[in-house]
Amino acid sequence: ELKVEQNPLFLSMQEGKNYTIYCNYSTTSDRLYWYRQDPGKSLESLFVLLSNGAVKQEGRLMASLDTKARLSTLHITAAVHDLSATYFCAAQRAEANSKLTFGKGITLSVRP
Amino acid sequence: EAQVTQNPRYLITVTGKKLTVTCSQNMNHEYMSWYRQDPGLGLRQIYYSMNVEVTDKGDVPEGYKVSRKEKRNFPLILESPSPNQTSLYFCATGGAQYGYTFGSGTRLTVV
Repeated sequence: ELKVEQNPLFLSMQEGKNYTIYCNYSTTSDRLYWYRQDPGKSLESLFVLLSNGAVKQEGRLMASLDTKARLSTLHITAAVHDLSATYFCAAQRAEANSKLTFGKGITLSVRP
Repeated sequence: EAQVTQNPRYLITVTGKKLTVTCSQNMNHEYMSWYRQDPGLGLRQIYYSMNVEVTDKGDVPEGYKVSRKEKRNFPLILESPSPNQTSLYFCATGGAQYGYTFGSGTRLTVV
């Protein structure tokens, strides 16, 4: 059974500093997705990582995937308050449209 | 604009009263699915559909039904809701290449 772990569950960040959060998964998965969720809102797709070594960047966020280590990282550059939200990763096996298995999410709070 | 539309956004109901949460997508995707989100448990898949008339159980299907008579619609049916089905529900559609788009959510309370 595929399991996805995100640690810690909550992270307090200081504005302007860099941080990295991690997503580990338990069995072979070829695809990894990152989502952002604001309180009371839906999930917003951030990154789709489909192969080993994939790296995607959008603004202050950069995500990468290492399928051999079963690890994805989300790097935050110079954190700003607007990045405060809960971030979920979801892993998916290679079969077409197999289910997304989500981690429990990491709530990021950026303080001045 | 590409959209996944869920209705209603909020619903309070009583135990045992049948209800349907609708989901409609205009993205022409074959794949659609339902998830529930609960504090401390994250998102868990309820049912999914690979195409019209093709549906299958996810991780937590008990107490739910779905149907897929048309490509764009994938309603979630609770025949006899119980308090443990109080949750935030999301419909999703998409595919591996471009990712999955989630609806705005339905917050269901069963009293």
